[in-house]
Amino acid sequence: AQTVTQSQPEMSVQEAETVTLSCTYDTSENNYYLFWYKQPPSRQMILVIRQEAYKQQNATENRFSVNFQKAAKSFSLKISDSQLGDTAMYFCAFMKGGVEDSWGKLQFGAGTQVVVTP
Amino acid sequence: SQTIHQWPATLVQPVGSPLSLECTVEGTSNPNLYWYRQAAGRGLQLLFYSVGIGQISSEVPQNLSASRPQDRQFILSSKKLLLSDSGFYLCAWSTGLTGNTIYFGEGSWLTVV
Repeated sequence: AQTVTQSQPEMSVQEAETVTLSCTYDTSENNYYLFWYKQPPSRQMILVIRQEAYKQQNATENRFSVNFQKAAKSFSLKISDSQLGDTAMYFCAFMKGGVEDSWGKLQFGAGTQVVVTP
Repeated sequence: SQTIHQWPATLVQPVGSPLSLECTVEGTSNPNLYWYRQAAGRGLQLLFYSVGIGQISSEVPQNLSASRPQDRQFILSSKKLLLSDSGFYLCAWSTGLTGNTIYFGEGSWLTVV
């Protein structure tokens, strides 16, 4: 079974600064996908970024980027130029590859609460 | 573009009463559909998934059931709610492709009293 570990329960960052969230995972699979989702106070789960394990290039989405280290099984998220609207719980998630294995079976970490302060 | 809606957003139900949460997806056809539950301060647990009309798979044994009467409609039900059914429920969809991203609805807060 896969496990996803987020070791930082809470992170505080000032506006315009950068914060990095850590995520490690344990798997024997070679084909898999990794995600970061954010959950603001509204509770809706919003996709931040997605990474395919077979791609060496790190994914980026505007101010969000990841550092994917496959050998180390690490998948950290960097938020640059933090904004007040980035305040949310951030979840790292793992999905096995293979058609049936990927049907909804996201393994989530415990989450990291990010608080952006003025 | 694709959108997903679920309702009601919040509800308070007495123990033993029935439940019906509804979810619809627009802008796509033949999506995979999912129901998740989130316990307080934790990640999501997959309850049900469906790859087509009338096709439902359950991931965990529970007091709940799911149905998919139409291609883009997914319903979560219970005949008799338990206190332990309280929680935050999220509907979600994805395409049927391997590893494809799962997109979530706004969620429904259920409190069983």
